[in-house]
Amino acid sequence: TQLLEQSPQFLSIQEGENLTVYCNSSSVFSSLQWYRQEPGEGPVLLVTVVTGGEVKKLKRLTFQFGDARKDSSLHITAAQTGDTGLYLCAGETSGSRLTFGEGTQLTVNP
Amino acid sequence: DAGVTQSPTHLIKTRGQQVTLRCSPKSGHDTVSWYQQALGQGPQFIFQYYEEEERQRGNFPDRFSGHQFPNYSSELNVNALLLGDSALYLCASSSIGGETQYFGPGTRLLVL
Repeated sequence: TQLLEQSPQFLSIQEGENLTVYCNSSSVFSSLQWYRQEPGEGPVLLVTVVTGGEVKKLKRLTFQFGDARKDSSLHITAAQTGDTGLYLCAGETSGSRLTFGEGTQLTVNP
Repeated sequence: DAGVTQSPTHLIKTRGQQVTLRCSPKSGHDTVSWYQQALGQGPQFIFQYYEEEERQRGNFPDRFSGHQFPNYSSELNVNALLLGDSALYLCASSSIGGETQYFGPGTRLLVL
């Protein structure tokens, strides 16, 4: 069974602070995706990383895929209250099946 | 261009009943995957449909079944509902061989 471990599970910070969320696995994935989910809604795709060592930036969000394609990180610079939500990483295996981590619940306080 | 749509948005059932959830994929997508998300957890893969057949299945009992229609829309059926089936059921669509799945808003099922 392929597992993805996310850490931390909960994170509460003040507006303007920086944070990093980690996603680790013992398995290799063909790609890794990061989603953000609001309460009662479906996950919304933020980014897909495919190549080992790849770094992608989306405004204040920086995503990195590990060289061995087993782990990833999400770094947010100068967090805003609008960044509050559940952040999920998901690894893709053959046949486009996604294995999700448990999620990181981020709360950014004003 | 409509994204992934699901119906109903909310549903309340009692133990032992049966339920059918529906999903219409994003335009141009031919593959539909279903996920179950319990409160406070990440989504768990149930199964995936392509060309009207189940291609892959996660670790869910046979009470969970599905169907895909020629227009690529899909249904998830759950028989003999248990309290533990209460969850947000998510549908995701993609193109076969594509690396990105797009999720619908989900159906919130409560089993009493």
